[in-house]
Amino acid sequence: GEDVEQSLFLSVREGDSSVINCTYTDSSSTYLYWYKQEPGAGLQLLTYIFSNMDMKQDQRLTVLLNKKDKHLSLRIADTQTGDSAIYFCADPVKLIFGQGTELSVKP
Amino acid sequence: EAGVTQSPTHLIKTRGQQATLRCSPISGHTSVYWYQQALGLGLQFLLWYDEGEERNRGNFPPRFSGRQFPNYSSELNVNALELEDSALYLCASRRDGSQGYGYTFGSGTRLTVV
Repeated sequence: GEDVEQSLFLSVREGDSSVINCTYTDSSSTYLYWYKQEPGAGLQLLTYIFSNMDMKQDQRLTVLLNKKDKHLSLRIADTQTGDSAIYFCADPVKLIFGQGTELSVKP
Repeated sequence: EAGVTQSPTHLIKTRGQQATLRCSPISGHTSVYWYQQALGLGLQFLLWYDEGEERNRGNFPPRFSGRQFPNYSSELNVNALELEDSALYLCASRRDGSQGYGYTFGSGTRLTVV
């Protein structure tokens, strides 16, 4: 069936860049989403990318989409301790979410 | 503007009982989605309601059911609770069921089955 996969953990030092990766088996979606879940909170839409784009930049966030390889990534520049959270990629049409990547930022 | 509200925040039930979870969407949002977030499993899609109708259903047994009311609020019912039903249940709403609008999630109901 349809699937979205992410690595489960990522640990970086404050100030470094973080790259969270996501692979999917198929997508006919117009958008692909990235969500952030802070401890004890619901999901917050972080950013999204149109399927006809290769890259989208939004302040410290850069989303890259490689449709040929079915690969989506989220890069966070100058990662801060407040970025520690779980990040989900999602296909909103298939209503499928990745398992989430737990980002730990060490001072 | 009030966000998506879910109640109760925590719920403890005994195996075999029934649980009812509630969700109020953002005003103007007609679509409500339910997700289960079990430990280590990420988000699993449960149900999607739009304009009072069930539009889609995830791979869950029939004892997971729900409904959407005329005011677009929604209930999720879980019958014959099993221990593995223990999870965080998240509700999300969207302005309509089409693409192009992100979900807004509630903070969830933590269901514990003992």
